[in-house]
Amino acid sequence: ETGVTQSPTHLIKTRGQQVTLRCSSQSGHNTVSWYQQALGQGPQFIFQYYREEENGRGNFPPRFSGLQFPNYSSELNVNALELDDSALYLCASSSKTGGAGEKLFFGSGTQLSVL
Amino acid sequence: AQSVTQPDIHITVSEGASLELRCNYSYGATPYLFWYVQSPGQGLQLLLKYFSGDTLVQGIKGFEAEFKRSQSSFNLRKPSVHWSDAAEYFCAVSGGSYIPTFGRGTSLIVHP
Repeated sequence: ETGVTQSPTHLIKTRGQQVTLRCSSQSGHNTVSWYQQALGQGPQFIFQYYREEENGRGNFPPRFSGLQFPNYSSELNVNALELDDSALYLCASSSKTGGAGEKLFFGSGTQLSVL
Repeated sequence: AQSVTQPDIHITVSEGASLELRCNYSYGATPYLFWYVQSPGQGLQLLLKYFSGDTLVQGIKGFEAEFKRSQSSFNLRKPSVHWSDAAEYFCAVSGGSYIPTFGRGTSLIVHP
């Protein structure tokens, strides 16, 4: 089975620009979650998509948005980039079977630097 | 609301020594608890998880963790650390929302 893949691995943007990060879920998984991991911190939940619908959102402003496609791949879009958006962005896929505590499969992340 | 505290930012051990990483959680009901490991430049990998039943949980790579409800703790242990265990370790809790909340992590440094 294929794992979770993210692209690009590294990205440099300037303040005010927009960025799109991509994630390909593990085969058979219908749920994708995005996390922001600032340097020296744990991952912070951004949002989750289940069968192409947003299924939960963390404490992030609306300029963070996402999409999930019929093949369960996903995008994270960030508009009007700010310096504090510099972080590692992690995508995690899972198979939502209705039970809590499902295992998350993480990609290696996209390192975003905002200058 | 659920939360996790990992009180140790860094832990240094010698190779072959035992290891215990601390995790305290806050959640009103029975939590779902996890330990993940992150190697440099990599995503997170699940080491083990606790849902219910036996409070001592075995995981991959020789790790185990013990759930103690009275102390709201879920500490990770390994009897003998290998140099390849050097990494960042994250404890996480999830409840009714099914979305885990992660601690800030503990960096494990292994001396030869």
